[in-house]
Amino acid sequence: DGGITQSPKYLFRKEGQNVTLSCEQNLNHDAMYWYRQDPGQGLRLIYYSQIVNDFQKGDIAEGYSVSREKKESFPLTVTSAQKNPTAFYLCASRRTGGEQYFGPGTRLTVT
Amino acid sequence: ELKVEQNPLFLSMQEGKNYTIYCNYSTTSDRLYWYRQDPGKSLESLFVLLSNGAVKQEGRLMASLDTKARLSTLHITAAVHDLSATYFCAVNSGGSNYKLTFGKGTLLTVNP
Repeated sequence: DGGITQSPKYLFRKEGQNVTLSCEQNLNHDAMYWYRQDPGQGLRLIYYSQIVNDFQKGDIAEGYSVSREKKESFPLTVTSAQKNPTAFYLCASRRTGGEQYFGPGTRLTVT
Repeated sequence: ELKVEQNPLFLSMQEGKNYTIYCNYSTTSDRLYWYRQDPGKSLESLFVLLSNGAVKQEGRLMASLDTKARLSTLHITAAVHDLSATYFCAVNSGGSNYKLTFGKGTLLTVNP
């Protein structure tokens, strides 16, 4: 089955620790995106990548880092520099000229 | 900077009634999306609107786009409980990069 997978579904970390969220797609899509959603809010763009080995900052990139070494994978690292990391993180992918499809999300809680 | 405003943010309606959700955006864009989100879940794509005057319908939901007014509407006809969810509009703010700017969402509750 083609789709986008994110793991884990729930993630708990202590303050000060870096954590990496996984996003994998087997749709052969070129572009991939990371969004953050806070309660009662819309999604905000963190990073995006149009092709392998290239990515750009979105609207709220501070405290986050990404890599795009393979077309299928776009992991997001939430660093200790991110002031309020607790949120719901959604990954999306898009074929050229098409719309974005979203993964199931990872809910990160930092205490 | 593109801004997207939805209203209302909260909507409680009775089954069988009609209502409209509005989405205004501040700068020109070439496409607008409507998504549905159930509690704790991801986003499900409902409609993609590409041109002025575009209208799309799926079941009890109909979306339209007026690019001159920078306004999209999502009309709900004869609401049923299963339509209870949060609805987001999103506008392409990045040209060929297809970066999306989202509204804050409308939490729709349909009561029996």
